Amino acid sequence: GQNIDQPTEMTATEGAIVQINCTYQTSGFNGLFWYQQHAGEAPTFLSYNVLDGLEEKGRFSSFLSRSKGYSYLLLKELQMKDSASYLCAVTDTDKLIFGTGTRLQVFP
Amino acid sequence: DGGITQSPKYLFRKEGQNVTLSCEQNLNHDAMYWYRQDPGQGLRLIYYSQIVNDFQKGDIAEGYSVSREKKESFPLTVTSAQKNPTAFYLCASRSATALNTEAFFGQGTRLTVV
Repeated sequence: GQNIDQPTEMTATEGAIVQINCTYQTSGFNGLFWYQQHAGEAPTFLSYNVLDGLEEKGRFSSFLSRSKGYSYLLLKELQMKDSASYLCAVTDTDKLIFGTGTRLQVFP
Repeated sequence: DGGITQSPKYLFRKEGQNVTLSCEQNLNHDAMYWYRQDPGQGLRLIYYSQIVNDFQKGDIAEGYSVSREKKESFPLTVTSAQKNPTAFYLCASRSATALNTEAFFGQGTRLTVV
C-alpha cells in the first residue's frame, strides 16, 4: 500500500519563506511531484524529484530524501497569489497517488 | 493546441441515475487517470489506464466504471451504486514511458446529485 502525509493548513506573511513537508511510504517509488491548486481549479505542475537533493525553479524549490521518504517544497518571497493548496504526489509503480494537500494562506 | 478536455464543467443528476463524464486528450499520452476531490480534501484515485483496452482500479473504484477503447478517450461512469457521488472529478494524462514528465489535468467536472 501507500501513504502520503502533509500538514493540513499553514499560514505565512507576504515576502516570507515557507516550507511544506511531505512524507510518504510506497512499494514502488518512481518519483515525487508537487502541484499547486487554486480553489475550484485543476492542479498545475510545480516540480519533480526522483534523485536525492534540491531542485530549484525560481521562487520555488523542492527537496527529496528517498531513504527517509521525505520531501519538502520551499516557497520564497511569498506573494498573495501563492495562497492555494499544495499537493504532494508520488508515482507508485504505474499509479500516481496524491497526498491530502496543504492549504497555504498568505497574509499581507 | 494540445491538451486534455473534460466535459461538461457542471453536471446535475437525480439520485439513482447513472452519469458519464467525458475526458479527451490529444497529447498522445498512454496513461490516463480519474480522481475524485471532496471539499478541502486531496485527490483520490478512482481508476487508471496505462494502455488502450486495459485499466486498473484505484483506491475508491466502487460505484464507478471506465472504458479505454481509444488512446485519446477515458470516460468515467458514475453508477447508482456510488453512495456519495457529489464531488469534483478530475481527469489527468501523462506519458507512460517518460516517467519524469508531469501529469496534465483537465479543468474538472463538478457533479451534483440531488
